[in-house]
Amino acid sequence: RKEVEQDPGPFNVPEGATVAFNCTYSNSASQSFFWYRQDCRKEPKLLMSVYSSGNEDGRFTAQLNRASQYISLLIRDSKLSDSATYLCVVRTPGTYKYIFGTGTRLKVLA
Amino acid sequence: GAVVSQHPSRVICKSGTSVKIECRSLDFQATTMFWYRQFPKQSLMLMATSNEGSKATYEQGVEKDKFLINHASLTLSTLTVTSAHPEDSSFYICSARRTASTDTQYFGPGTRLTVL
Repeated sequence: RKEVEQDPGPFNVPEGATVAFNCTYSNSASQSFFWYRQDCRKEPKLLMSVYSSGNEDGRFTAQLNRASQYISLLIRDSKLSDSATYLCVVRTPGTYKYIFGTGTRLKVLA
Repeated sequence: GAVVSQHPSRVICKSGTSVKIECRSLDFQATTMFWYRQFPKQSLMLMATSNEGSKATYEQGVEKDKFLINHASLTLSTLTVTSAHPEDSSFYICSARRTASTDTQYFGPGTRLTVL
């Protein structure tokens, strides 16, 4: 089993739609979780950290479910500019090392 | 905000040559820098963790004699791909963690290496 798993997609959604991505992780001791966004041939950029209580930043909401070992990202009112690959990242416990998921590709269509 | 730069952004070289990539934290001190590699349509894979003033820690399967890492100061780490071969062609990205701060990593813009 991979340490961090994501559905690669692509998710093709119309503008204005709501879309959700899930990510599962295998190490139950993991404590830090992030969602990064990566545009084609560019570096990953931090979208948001994921906190135990869940957190929201504008149209983006992240949730953590420790019991089932998954995190989710919800995007409301999708924009064309949201088209990108969304990377789920889990920090290895006891280190500062990141484990990246393979990413979920989102295409928002006009 | 935290800014990390990489140089060069793109390099094309002949097989057998060595290529050096620089990673700099421009507005903060970074005790730890990380080097990743990303092949097309794949995710980032951690190659090594670079700590200022000490030897880098390499991930399993990464040859330390082929990928030389030097972290001589709190703002600069270098990755040298020695005797490059076409299979080393990839997108190399560094990241930096602020000293005594959270575990957030800030990524450089990446270096696209093509070995002919």
